[in-house]
Amino acid sequence: AQKITQTQPGMFVQEKEAVTLDCTYDTSDPSYGLFWYKQPSSGEMIFLIYQGSYDQQNATEGRYSLNFQKARKSANLVISASQLGDSAMYFCAMREGQGSQGNLIFGKGTKLSVKP
Amino acid sequence: GAVVSQHPSWVICKSGTSVKIECRSLDFQATTMFWYRQFPKQSLMLMATSNEGSKATYEQGVEKDKFLINHASLTLSTLTVTSAHPEDSSFYICSAGYGYTFGSGTRLTVV
Repeated sequence: AQKITQTQPGMFVQEKEAVTLDCTYDTSDPSYGLFWYKQPSSGEMIFLIYQGSYDQQNATEGRYSLNFQKARKSANLVISASQLGDSAMYFCAMREGQGSQGNLIFGKGTKLSVKP
Repeated sequence: GAVVSQHPSWVICKSGTSVKIECRSLDFQATTMFWYRQFPKQSLMLMATSNEGSKATYEQGVEKDKFLINHASLTLSTLTVTSAHPEDSSFYICSAGYGYTFGSGTRLTVV
C-alpha cells in the first residue's frame, strides 16, 4: 500500500510568490520522520527539510517550511519567495522509526515550475 | 557532515557487460547503505539494503544475482549490475547512515 501521496503532478508559481506542495502519509507507527527533497534535472537528491513525528513545532529551513498536521497526516512543503532556481522535482518521503537507519519511502513527486 | 560520494556519475556500457557503482560515506561510518533506482519520470524505489559485513537485503522483485551488492567496509558499498541489458538503463542512487543524505547518483545507459 502506498504510504506517501503527492497528488500534484505539476505546479506553476510566479517568481517571488509562495507555493505549497502537498504531501499526505499513512503509517501505524507513532514514531516516524518526514522529509522533503528537491531533485533538479541533474538527478541529485537535495535534502530540504525534516519533521519528526514528536516534534512540537513545524520545521523551517530558510525559505522552506513544513506545515505538519499530524491529525490529518499531512506534511506540506511551503516555499516562500520562489526563485527561478526552485524549478525542479520535489519529493516527499517518510521513514518509520524516528532516528532509525531505515530506508525512505517516496511519493511520486511534484514538478514545480517557477515562471519569471 | 554526512557526505556521501557516488561514482561514476554516468556510464554507458554494452549489453552483456557488467558495471560497478561505488557509494562512499566520506566523513562517517555507515553500517547500512541503501540503493535506489529511478526510472525516467518516476519516483525512487528501494532496491536493496546493504549491510556491512553481511549479505544485502533485496526488495521483492529485485534479482540478487543480477544486482550484486558488496559492503566490505564501513565506508564503501558497491553495486554491480551484471550482464547488463537495455532495460537496466536507469538512474541508480545510494544513501547512507541515517539515510537522508544521498550520493549524486549514477545514470546507467546500456546499449
